[in-house]
Amino acid sequence: GQNIDQPTEMTATEGAIVQINCTYQTSGFNGLFWYQQHAGEAPTFLSYNVLDGLEEKGRFSSFLSRSKGYSYLLLKELQMKDSASYLCAPPNDYKLSFGAGTTVTVRA
Amino acid sequence: DVKVTQSSRYLVKRTGEKVFLECVQDMDHENMFWYRQDPGLGLRLIYFSYDVKMKEKGDIPEGYSVSREKKERFSLILESASTNQTSMYLCASSSQGRGHSYEQYFGPGTRLTVT
Repeated sequence: GQNIDQPTEMTATEGAIVQINCTYQTSGFNGLFWYQQHAGEAPTFLSYNVLDGLEEKGRFSSFLSRSKGYSYLLLKELQMKDSASYLCAPPNDYKLSFGAGTTVTVRA
Repeated sequence: DVKVTQSSRYLVKRTGEKVFLECVQDMDHENMFWYRQDPGLGLRLIYFSYDVKMKEKGDIPEGYSVSREKKERFSLILESASTNQTSMYLCASSSQGRGHSYEQYFGPGTRLTVT
């Protein structure tokens, strides 16, 4: 593994913003993936940062600093359907290493 | 539309049985992966394959074996199922290359219960 560290749980209210931090032992310049996983379902691709900086995609944004081994996923204007687990995944050779995930609960 | 399918969504087996989990992808991907997912432990890699008949152990290969006779199909075998192998099993595939090619596409998962 790559010693991936992300918070276990986060709770926020509808319409709010939540930031999920991820730190990992960086092994190169291969960028970083974020996946979303709803309970009982398979993970689905959310974002990929190939370079350092902020990538924005609608309500979701992801930031990466490869030299620091740090990334965050920003969820804006939270909706109930955003209640899910969010997995940080840095590439490791041609594999992905997955963090344990951060479970986000959105409350009305 | 990319697709990874798994043979069963739910499976119940008895201790000691030999169990086969099948995974098929239609994206002509070279790489295929088997994970198990348990609460609090995240996704753990069991085995992966980067080509037909090629396989490499992941982080937790004990008690499992795999087979890849065709590019599109990757099978996970539990030689003698045990209760501690009760888990969600996820198959994934990806193409070779760098950058965004690392993206893995997942099947729906098989929830296996060993009694």
